[in-house]
Amino acid sequence: DAGVIQSPRHEVTEMGQEVTLRCKPISGHNSLFWYRQTMMRGLELLIYFNNNVPIDDSGMPEDRFSAKMPNASFSTLKIQPSEPRDSAVYFCASSFRQGGEKLFFGSGTQLSVL
Amino acid sequence: AQSVTQLDSQVPVFEEAPVELRCNYSSSVSVYLFWYVQYPNQGLQLLLKYLSGSTLVKSINGFEAEFNKSQTSFHLRKPSVHISDTAEYFCAVSETGGFKTIFGAGTRLFVKA
Repeated sequence: DAGVIQSPRHEVTEMGQEVTLRCKPISGHNSLFWYRQTMMRGLELLIYFNNNVPIDDSGMPEDRFSAKMPNASFSTLKIQPSEPRDSAVYFCASSFRQGGEKLFFGSGTQLSVL
Repeated sequence: AQSVTQLDSQVPVFEEAPVELRCNYSSSVSVYLFWYVQYPNQGLQLLLKYLSGSTLVKSINGFEAEFNKSQTSFHLRKPSVHISDTAEYFCAVSETGGFKTIFGAGTRLFVKA
């Protein structure tokens, strides 16, 4: 298996632009998570899905952030409009949740908003 | 709700010395506990986990962690570190049967020659 695949690896954009981050989870996994990592706040859980349904989006910072999972093999995290404070590394992770199962992380998307 | 506290943001240590990375958690229900490692420019990888049973769990590369329920701790130890252990280490907790995994702020381990 190729693991969790995220794209792009790096994204540089200007304030006010729309940004879309993509994730392909490991085949067969039924849970998907979006995390954001910054020096100041560490690793924050933004949203997670189970069987393509959003379970908890309480970590999404504000309405500018949205996430979708149209099918079991694809998810997007969208920021519109982007702001400099959104600059961070965004990780996608997946697992097959039976309780206590580990998360498999992608390599992350380094987002820089200028 | 659960929370995780990693008491040390950075731990410098000489090669072949022992190391302990501290982790305390807070939860009102039963939890699973994890240690993940992150090498530069990579995602996190599971190092070891505690689900139930023996309170001492070990990884294949010499790390071990002990679950202490009374002290709500899950400290990570290695008796002799290598240069290649230089990385950031994250303690994490998830509610038994739940979906969420909450991570601590991370501890950067720096092994010096």
